[in-house]
Amino acid sequence: EPEVTQTPSHQVTQMGQEVILRCVPISNHLYFYWYRQILGQKVEFLVSFYNNEISEKSEIFDDQFSVERPDGSNFTLKIRSTKLEDSAMYFCARQGAGGTGELFFGEGSRLTVL
Amino acid sequence: AQTVTQSQPEMSVQEAETVTLSCTYDTSESDYYLFWYKQPPSRQMILVIRQEAYKQQNATENRFSVNFQKAAKSFSLKISDSQLGDAAMYFCAYWDYKYIFGTGTRLKVLA
Repeated sequence: EPEVTQTPSHQVTQMGQEVILRCVPISNHLYFYWYRQILGQKVEFLVSFYNNEISEKSEIFDDQFSVERPDGSNFTLKIRSTKLEDSAMYFCARQGAGGTGELFFGEGSRLTVL
Repeated sequence: AQTVTQSQPEMSVQEAETVTLSCTYDTSESDYYLFWYKQPPSRQMILVIRQEAYKQQNATENRFSVNFQKAAKSFSLKISDSQLGDAAMYFCAYWDYKYIFGTGTRLKVLA
């Protein structure tokens, strides 16, 4: 059973539509990440989120993207106006104890933009 | 900036045999962590093994072990007694308060 649950597992959307991907950690943790994997390519860092604030973000994470933890549990990634190139797997991860870098990943959300 | 390179897009190994996946990285730091993650067809990223750079001893986890050469900035993964369930994408990663992943190596296990 994954320690991080992601929904939806697959979403198909039209270009220009808003998409919200959700991540629910089973236990209460403060440090979260979003990564993106375009089909067949490497896993890329999007953003890290600590104690309800963005800790670091990559060049990919432009104004179209936002993250929040609205209810203290769900951790969401919002894409305001999707583009074809946003089609990818999006992985949420939480950091393990000890700060040694081990991350626990969810099963991913596949986003298809038509 | 740190970089991670996996030069083998795909590898094959016969069941029960041993295979080594290569990874090199570049960093100016002296203390850091390196990881190997496995991504099976189910897509979830699963931690295989972790190495602390300050430790000279190579990490081992059952059939998985690493050859960590700090001076050469090399971090290869050895899988012994390969099993069909080992078939997956394997990603090498450098930890810098976030992962920097390599491009991955697809491992095929032949029965």
